[in-house]
Amino acid sequence: AQKVTQAQTEISVVEKEDVTLDCVYETRDTTYYLFWYKQPPSGELVFLIRRNSFDEQNEISGRYSWNFQKSTSSFNFTITASQVVDSAVYFCAGMDSSYKLIFGSGTRLLVRP
Amino acid sequence: GAVVSQHPSWVICKSGTSVKIECRSLDFQATTMFWYRQFPKQSLMLMATSNEGSKATYEQGVEKDKFLINHASLTLSTLTVTSAHPEDSSFYICSAQGLAGRNEQFFGPGTRLTVL
Repeated sequence: AQKVTQAQTEISVVEKEDVTLDCVYETRDTTYYLFWYKQPPSGELVFLIRRNSFDEQNEISGRYSWNFQKSTSSFNFTITASQVVDSAVYFCAGMDSSYKLIFGSGTRLLVRP
Repeated sequence: GAVVSQHPSWVICKSGTSVKIECRSLDFQATTMFWYRQFPKQSLMLMATSNEGSKATYEQGVEKDKFLINHASLTLSTLTVTSAHPEDSSFYICSAQGLAGRNEQFFGPGTRLTVL
């Protein structure tokens, strides 16, 4: 069985602040994939990133960066210099050898002007 | 590329009626599609895995007689909510597995169902 934990239910920051969203993934498999999705108020999921368990390199894409640490099963997501448009619900998800995508409970991010 | 559409985007129906939701992969063939349900302010929960030409596999706790899934072609899967009740009101999202690998899923925009 696999489990995705997003302990932060809601985060509120002021624009231009940096914010980190936490995610912990548990599985018995040694090969797995981790994902982050953004869900704006419209409801449509926006794919942000996919990582496999063998790639522990941090990734940066513009204001977004991801830190994967296999030892702690964490796959954290940082938004630098947050903007109001970043306000959304962010889901971390995992996929093990079952190829089923399991989502965490989500973190609602509110960026205030 | 890799666009998935859903129709309708929203639907309101009376209790006791059946509603069909379509999920289409527009520019690729998808042998496997997935159906998720999301209640307000909650996460996405996998309902079933739909494979072209075969019966769907339902997750534990999902009533297969209530949520009928048909995957008759490589580009279309349908979810029919039979005898809908207000508690079935939810956001239904489908995804299609990419040909590049089973670790890739492309999501549709979702269908919001409201049962009166």
